[in-house]
Amino acid sequence: LAKTTQPISMDSYEGQEVNITCSHNNIATNDYITWYQQFPSQGPRFIIQGYKTKVTNEVASLFIPADRKSSTLSLPRVSLSDTAVYYCLVGDNSNYQLIWGAGTKLIIKP
Amino acid sequence: GAGVSQTPSNKVTEKGKYVELRCDPISGHTALYWYRQSLGQGPEFLIYFQGTGAADDSGLPNDRFFAVRPEGSVSTLKIQRTERGDSAVYLCASSFGGRDSYEQYFGPGTRLTVT
Repeated sequence: LAKTTQPISMDSYEGQEVNITCSHNNIATNDYITWYQQFPSQGPRFIIQGYKTKVTNEVASLFIPADRKSSTLSLPRVSLSDTAVYYCLVGDNSNYQLIWGAGTKLIIKP
Repeated sequence: GAGVSQTPSNKVTEKGKYVELRCDPISGHTALYWYRQSLGQGPEFLIYFQGTGAADDSGLPNDRFFAVRPEGSVSTLKIQRTERGDSAVYLCASSFGGRDSYEQYFGPGTRLTVT
């Protein structure tokens, strides 16, 4: 079973900031939070990973509150090409396995 | 540099036949993963290699599925007596396999159709 819960789908518009929130109530001390992006007919692509507080890279930011029971992926100023499925995963640091849910289908409109 | 490659990109086979799917990981990556993905769902873990050995094969659905990585690089996923329910996209990913990193690099997948 997936260890995370996220919205099935979201819509937004070009130029907007998009925040996708993921719930992981049973996250363990050793678990990391990882986000992937997948376009149709392609394999998933790693976006960002974090353990606590805030992580930022050239693509996105990841916000993790102190209790770590949720996390928010923030995509600044989205474009049409950001239309994809976004997966939130919790990785078990004892065996490095990732359990995938169905993801959030993000549709960006012009 | 070259990413993860998978061959063939598409495979159509008849029920009961044997198929092999190949994965070429990124050079230097010690960890290799096989997943399968059905339409509208996330990837489902099948097997994980660290070097030449299968570190975790708990995701293989039954004994018709087998995977090898004899030299710690290329891997082959083998499916015997294929069934229509095996139809899916089979994804391969590789990573450095280091601690505290879940950055896996995925190939484009092999779409398997069992008729």
